[in-house]
Amino acid sequence: GENVEQHPSTLSVQEGDSAVIKCTYSDSASNYFPWYKQELGKRPQLIIDIRSNVGEKKDQRIAVTLNKTAKHFSLHITETQPEDSAVYFCCPNNAGNMLTFGGGTRLMVKP
Amino acid sequence: DGGITQSPKYLFRKEGQNVTLSCEQNLNHDAMYWYRQDPGQGLRLIYYSQIVNDFQKGDIAEGYSVSREKKESFPLTVTSAQKNPTAFYLCASSIAGTGDPQHFGDGTRLSIL
Repeated sequence: GENVEQHPSTLSVQEGDSAVIKCTYSDSASNYFPWYKQELGKRPQLIIDIRSNVGEKKDQRIAVTLNKTAKHFSLHITETQPEDSAVYFCCPNNAGNMLTFGGGTRLMVKP
Repeated sequence: DGGITQSPKYLFRKEGQNVTLSCEQNLNHDAMYWYRQDPGQGLRLIYYSQIVNDFQKGDIAEGYSVSREKKESFPLTVTSAQKNPTAFYLCASSIAGTGDPQHFGDGTRLSIL
């Protein structure tokens, strides 16, 4: 199956700082790259996604960048707020029509 | 109000017992998924279905079974063969397949008595 890794596994930032989470994948046929946010005990929710024909996408304080050659995509959160504290997961699709989630990144935003 | 409904929210299983987790969606999505999440871990795919009466095993299908008799419903049975069933189970759906955003239910927390 596809190998999906996220780094870092935990990230602590001060309120107002930026946070960057990286997801590397192994299947060059992947063409859909979403990021999900999961608050403690709750359902994951899609926060941003990108397709392989686009290099960057931005939605207010959140952006995703994609490097298909290097097989990684990153989540960027600017001006972090305490409510951004959660676990973030990447989940690229793959040619085998399967889904592999990354192990997650726990983001803590300190007021 | 469209969405995915999972029930029950909490479930307890006795030794040797099969239990069934319900997942219903009214989003008119073709694809549905079941995931297992252990504490502090990511989501692992158990089964998924892209069309009625068809489903495929994910990475950890052993000890689980599913059915997809209706587009709206994708129940998961945790059989007695699953020796470590304690986990948070999440159901999801997407419009057509793995290239679309997934919408998740609120999950079922399963524990062993």
